Amino acid sequence: GENVEQHPSTLSVQEGDSAVIKCTYSDSASNYFPWYKQELGKRPQLIIDIRSNVGEKKDQRIAVTLNKTAKHFSLHITETQPEDSAVYFCAPTFVGAQKLVFGQGTRLTINP
Amino acid sequence: NAGVTQTPKFQVLKTGQSMTLQCAQDMNHEYMSWYRQDPGMGLRLIHYSVGAGITDQGEVPNGYNVSRSTTEDFPLRLLSAAPSQTSVYFCASSSGRADQPQHFGDGTRLSIL
Repeated sequence: GENVEQHPSTLSVQEGDSAVIKCTYSDSASNYFPWYKQELGKRPQLIIDIRSNVGEKKDQRIAVTLNKTAKHFSLHITETQPEDSAVYFCAPTFVGAQKLVFGQGTRLTINP
Repeated sequence: NAGVTQTPKFQVLKTGQSMTLQCAQDMNHEYMSWYRQDPGMGLRLIHYSVGAGITDQGEVPNGYNVSRSTTEDFPLRLLSAAPSQTSVYFCASSSGRADQPQHFGDGTRLSIL
């Protein structure tokens, strides 16, 4: 099965700075790469995803980049704001997969 | 559009009791799944279903049963609650399988005394 690791496990940045979270995976068949955000006491929600035919995708202040050769993808958040404080999860998988394995999560804290 | 609805939101049980966590979705999604999330931990897959009448085990299935008699509903049953099952339980659904965005419910916070 898929082995998923996220780094770092915790990240603290000053408001306005950028944050980067990396997700490494083991299954070379993976071709769908989502990131989920979970605010304290809330449900996880998809914030951005990318498929393997695309190297980068942006949505306002967030972006995801993919390196299939090295089997990792990263979440980039620019101009961080207090509302970006949350736990972020990656969950790489492949088309037709029946099971989903989430990374252990990265707790991001934005310091005012 | 309600999305994924979980009930109850909170529950306290005694060791050995049984209960059912309810999950319903109104998006006509074929794929549904149950996760548990322990404090400070990630999401671990308990059971999943790719359609009505079809269920299978995830990462941590022991102590839990599921059934899928309709597309809309996917209840999770705890047969004999143990303190180790104290957790937050999330139900999720998607239009495809694991390779599509997952829509999560608000969770059920379960404490076993």
